[in-house]
Amino acid sequence: EVQLVESGGGLVKPGGSLRLSCAASGFTFSSAWMSWVRQAPGRGLEWVGRIKSRTDGGTTDYAAPVTGRCTISRDDSRKMLFLQLNSLKTEDTAVYYCSTGGVGRYLTFDYWGPGLLVTVSS
Amino acid sequence: SYVLTQPPSVSVAPGQTARIPCGGNNIGSKTVHWYQQRPGQAPVLVVYDDGVRPSGIPERFSGSNSEHTATLTISRVEAGDEADYYCQVWDSSSDHYVFGIGTKVTVL
Repeated sequence: EVQLVESGGGLVKPGGSLRLSCAASGFTFSSAWMSWVRQAPGRGLEWVGRIKSRTDGGTTDYAAPVTGRCTISRDDSRKMLFLQLNSLKTEDTAVYYCSTGGVGRYLTFDYWGPGLLVTVSS
Repeated sequence: SYVLTQPPSVSVAPGQTARIPCGGNNIGSKTVHWYQQRPGQAPVLVVYDDGVRPSGIPERFSGSNSEHTATLTISRVEAGDEADYYCQVWDSSSDHYVFGIGTKVTVL
């Protein structure tokens, strides 16, 4: 069974940084493309960024609102995904989800973690 | 960047059919996926590749895609179908993923 579990987050001050982690199990993590998706309170889903598998180059892509402030990384040996977001703004307040289409599926989000609330406030 | 358009809300009586449109420029040339999100829960993929149901999704959920509008259809609507529904595509020009704003389905 595929499982994704986010950790980290909480209350962070504007201008600060956050680092979220996602522990994956139940699939060949090293072969999967992984994404972060967020949802501001009362708003819709917003894709944050993606990291490809190492065999596909391991490259990252980010949505415009976080480009330059965001770094997504992975540790395939520990089956972990990370999100580092700097220069936090109040509009970064959201539930952050770790998500993937699984192995061989690159265009959908078949699996989701339960989500983690990050609040940016002074 | 590519934009997906959804109505904010759709209301439907139990047992009737709900149709949720998702518009986008030449969306028929893209592959559309749909997610259901109940309050306080993570999204669930209910239709992918325009009209394919993942394992465990009831046959009442179906999808279609034509030139300018993709549609998620929920037949024989039940109270448990009350949720937000999001369409999503991958935009090849930017290599980014795009979600619609979501449609809240209310079962009357």
